[in-house]
Amino acid sequence: GENVEQHPSTLSVQEGDSAVIKCTYSDSASNYFPWYKQELGKRPQLIIDIRSNVGEKKDQRIAVTLNKTAKHFSLHITETQPEDSAVYFCAAWDSGTYKYIFGTGTRLKVLA
Amino acid sequence: DAGVIQSPRHEVTEMGQEVTLRCKPISGHNSLFWYRQTMMRGLELLIYFNNNVPIDDSGMPEDRFSAKMPNASFSTLKIQPSEPRDSAVYFCASNPDIGIPGELFFGEGSRLTVL
Repeated sequence: GENVEQHPSTLSVQEGDSAVIKCTYSDSASNYFPWYKQELGKRPQLIIDIRSNVGEKKDQRIAVTLNKTAKHFSLHITETQPEDSAVYFCAAWDSGTYKYIFGTGTRLKVLA
Repeated sequence: DAGVIQSPRHEVTEMGQEVTLRCKPISGHNSLFWYRQTMMRGLELLIYFNNNVPIDDSGMPEDRFSAKMPNASFSTLKIQPSEPRDSAVYFCASNPDIGIPGELFFGEGSRLTVL
């Protein structure tokens, strides 16, 4: 079955700097890769996603890149702000089982 | 729509007691997922349903866990008997169509503490 690995587990950046979180997946049948943000005590919420027919997608300060050959995808946050502090989860959707498998999360702390 | 609704938001119980968590998915969504979140294991998929039918329960940790979806607007996750290691936040999420990948809409979660 699908396995998703996420790194780093924690990340601290200065306000205004960029943050990058990386994930790898194992099942080549996966073709949809969402990213969720979870603030303390809240539910995970989708912030951006990418499908396997696209290499990069951008939404304001957030971008995601996908390398299907290497089976990895990354979240890029530019000009970080304190409100970006949260736990970020990557996930992969397995088209064979319809499962959404999540990475273990990255706790991002933006220092003012 | 009010989104995915879960109850209770918090549950504190003693070891050995039965726990029932409830979920109302977004109207019109035909797939429903139960996840468990802990610091150590992150978000684990327990079971998911399509059109009220369980598709895969391989993530259910053991026979003490069971889940049902009697109709399109209601699902339950039951733990009997509960144990301290079951303490976690349990999330329910729904999605419009299981065969079309897209956003999972999560409920607020049910925080379970087993003493």
